[in-house]
Amino acid sequence: AQKVTQAQTEISVVEKEDVTLDCVYETRDTTYYLFWYKQPPSGELVFLIRRNSFDEQNEISGRYSWNFQKSTSSFNFTITASQVVDSAVYFCALSRRDSSYKLIFGSGTRLLVRP
Amino acid sequence: GAVVSQHPSRVICKSGTSVKIECRSLDFQATTMFWYRQFPKQSLMLMATSNEGSKATYEQGVEKDKFLINHASLTLSTLTVTSAHPEDSSFYICSARQTPLGSTDTQYFGPGTRLTVL
Repeated sequence: AQKVTQAQTEISVVEKEDVTLDCVYETRDTTYYLFWYKQPPSGELVFLIRRNSFDEQNEISGRYSWNFQKSTSSFNFTITASQVVDSAVYFCALSRRDSSYKLIFGSGTRLLVRP
Repeated sequence: GAVVSQHPSRVICKSGTSVKIECRSLDFQATTMFWYRQFPKQSLMLMATSNEGSKATYEQGVEKDKFLINHASLTLSTLTVTSAHPEDSSFYICSARQTPLGSTDTQYFGPGTRLTVL
């Protein structure tokens, strides 16, 4: 069975702090995709990143960085120098590389960045 | 690119009426669209997978006669909540997967529709 666990329900930081959102996944598939989405208060899910299971390279995009480790089945997301606009719910998701393309979401982590 | 729209963004209706929600991929074709439901402070729950030109595939526990899905074109899928009741009140979100197959395996999400049934 496939499962995504985001153990951190809610995180509160002060602006300019670094924050890491944890994501642990379970799958028996050898090929799969991992995603991070951001859901601001407006409700729309914003795509942040997709990572292929074969690609364990870490990625950095501005203040965002992602650490993918297959050995620990983790795909953690770090925001450097957080800003108030980063306040949102962040979802980690897993999909199989088959014809269904279904996404399995974690429960989400609510990030509050205080000024 | 990869913009998905939903209409309406918010709807309030009386119990027993039917409500139709539209999901459109604006700048790409999508043979596959997905419909999700999200309760307050909870994660997204997949309701069904909508494939252009064929019947939708519903997840276990989702009533297909209650939630009618039509994917008539490569850019439009509709979800109709029939005979809506207060327990159907929720945030409904669609997503679209870009085609042709293999070009991307990323789902792009619409802004969601908040349904309130009185």
